Amino acid sequence: DTAVSQTPKYLVTQMGNDKSIKCEQNLGHDTMYWYKQDSKKFLKIMFSYNNKELIINETVPNRFSPKSPDKAHLNLHINSLELGDSAVYFCASTGDRTYEQYFGPGTRLTVT
Amino acid sequence: SQQGEEDPQALSIQEGENATMNCSYKTSINNLQWYRQNSGRGLVHLILIRSNEREKHSGRLRVTLDTSKKSSSLLITASRAADTASYFCAVVNEKLTFGTGTRLTIIP
Repeated sequence: DTAVSQTPKYLVTQMGNDKSIKCEQNLGHDTMYWYKQDSKKFLKIMFSYNNKELIINETVPNRFSPKSPDKAHLNLHINSLELGDSAVYFCASTGDRTYEQYFGPGTRLTVT
Repeated sequence: SQQGEEDPQALSIQEGENATMNCSYKTSINNLQWYRQNSGRGLVHLILIRSNEREKHSGRLRVTLDTSKKSSSLLITASRAADTASYFCAVVNEKLTFGTGTRLTIIP
């Protein structure tokens, strides 16, 4: 059983397009995250939701808009894609105050 | 920023040898965690050490924490080819912040 799943795994698109990445967790966790990992493997938190409520919103362009329809799902919509958005985007969830993270397999976004 | 910084950035050792990676951070923490990332995969949690603990073991992994020096180390004993991966520390205060990672290569 997949604990944290993301779709799609790969996404190739042109500059200016709008795209969405979906994430689902079946762990019963209350908190979900989006991370961006750049080409140097640096992992940066973008957003965090707790029970459908936004609790962390790091310095991210407002072209990025997360949506949490319920506590098991956290989607990421990106408008007007730019070359610099090319990266691997990871979804993660956590169920307790230790913040131990359970990661999805990642979505490799390539903007051409 | 309380982001962890890891040292070395890359490490290559022979199979069977021990591998040590270090993590330094800047602020007080509740706990510190280590994760592994295999190529093309998501991160996997390895071990968590709380701020009041000094050492923790899990299988071939040994983690130490020195809060006075704001540093932690991850030791992998008797390395195997399957240990080849990137290893990240993550420090937790009000949120979790990842370090820059160490790329470990085990040479068969």
